[in-house]
Amino acid sequence: NAGVTQTPKFQVLKTGQSMTLQCAQDMNHEYMSWYRQDPGMGLRLIHYSVGAGITDQGEVPNGYNVSRSTTEDFPLRLLSAAPSQTSVYFCASSYSASVETQYFGPGTRLLVL
Amino acid sequence: AQSVTQLDSQVPVFEEAPVELRCNYSSSVSVYLFWYVQYPNQGLQLLLKYLSGSTLVESINGFEAEFNKSQTSFHLRKPSVHISDTAEYFCAVTPKGGYNKLIFGAGTRLAVHP
Repeated sequence: NAGVTQTPKFQVLKTGQSMTLQCAQDMNHEYMSWYRQDPGMGLRLIHYSVGAGITDQGEVPNGYNVSRSTTEDFPLRLLSAAPSQTSVYFCASSYSASVETQYFGPGTRLLVL
Repeated sequence: AQSVTQLDSQVPVFEEAPVELRCNYSSSVSVYLFWYVQYPNQGLQLLLKYLSGSTLVESINGFEAEFNKSQTSFHLRKPSVHISDTAEYFCAVTPKGGYNKLIFGAGTRLAVHP
């Protein structure tokens, strides 16, 4: 039982490049979400999904796309990276969309030059 | 909308001393409250949560937090800290009856010195 896994751990991009941050969980959790963590700002919700095929925007969705084709995977896509997207990205999951303990992945550190 | 304010960005403390990390929130609806801990270079782990019932909640490693509705606070305390408690601590809320969308404070970095 690996929990929530994220790849890659580190990534450097140039402005305008695209990439996909991968997130997978093996706990059969219905609810998955993406947060970004910036110094002095805590974590902010980017997108979330209450189940396969269902996604919605969080607090800071601009510049990011998501899809949820399976229960296990919830990739986050940066279509055209900008320096403002330099951050640490965390994926989280919970059994349901109601109040449950969320389990966080180890994070992906992204630097956009 | 909800917001969370953690009143101290950094808290230095000596080992075996007591500590309090302060958290205030603002919300027009009832909320559930959480404390998460982030050890260096790791993801977040749930430390404790208040959903209902007793306003004093405890974690397995000696932390406790008390929900004060009138003061809209959820301060985290530990009577005697260890070096291993050095980490960043995040207070978070989510509105009752909604999806599990956490609103986090900016975090408090607890540094325990020998």
